[in-house]
Amino acid sequence: DAGITQSPRHKVTETGTPVTLRCHQTENHRYMYWYRQDPGHGLRLIHYSYGVKDTDKGEVSDGYSVSRSKTEDFLLTLESATSSQTSVYFCAIRATGGEQYFGPGTRLTVT
Amino acid sequence: DAKTTQPPSMDCAEGRAANLPCNHSTISGNEYVYWYRQIHSQGPQYIIHGLKNNETNEMASLIITEDRKSSTLILPHATLRDTAVYYCIVRPPPGSADGLTFGKGTHLIIQP
Repeated sequence: DAGITQSPRHKVTETGTPVTLRCHQTENHRYMYWYRQDPGHGLRLIHYSYGVKDTDKGEVSDGYSVSRSKTEDFLLTLESATSSQTSVYFCAIRATGGEQYFGPGTRLTVT
Repeated sequence: DAKTTQPPSMDCAEGRAANLPCNHSTISGNEYVYWYRQIHSQGPQYIIHGLKNNETNEMASLIITEDRKSSTLILPHATLRDTAVYYCIVRPPPGSADGLTFGKGTHLIIQP
């Protein structure tokens, strides 16, 4: 599982509140990714990081920000959660062979 | 990334080999073929990848045609736990920072 954990695993929040999801890895991988998964859409890339303080946008980055102040942690923030951000969020790392390993996911419900 | 085409669903009997096809006729010369699977409600799981040669690991074998326009993932002795959605993804060489683009995949159902 490449030592990836996500927290929280489940969260229910109200529209308009800020939410931060955390991804933690223990194997010092340089590249980290945030995806969301919705029925009928498969996984879509939100943001990714290629090093400490180095991040870039993915396909569906609107409404999300990220931060990476140290190698092991990659944070995803919803500044003001909306119902359209109800989803399952997966974090991943990229290994040296190019393959990605995923965390267990965070199920977020915005009411 | 090159587009891939997979059948939406397949059945396979437990204990038999499961052969999952993938077409990627627009693949570029330096693009790799990756396979992942996702078991219900879990995160995607990496299976195997290759460039042009056939590859085998403890989970599966990957057969890539000589023209590289298609590939087949082989699970040699399928078990009920192999029931999942399988994704074939074509992407740049391993050094690329790009994220993965998931299509709809193939829902493989292993029958007892």
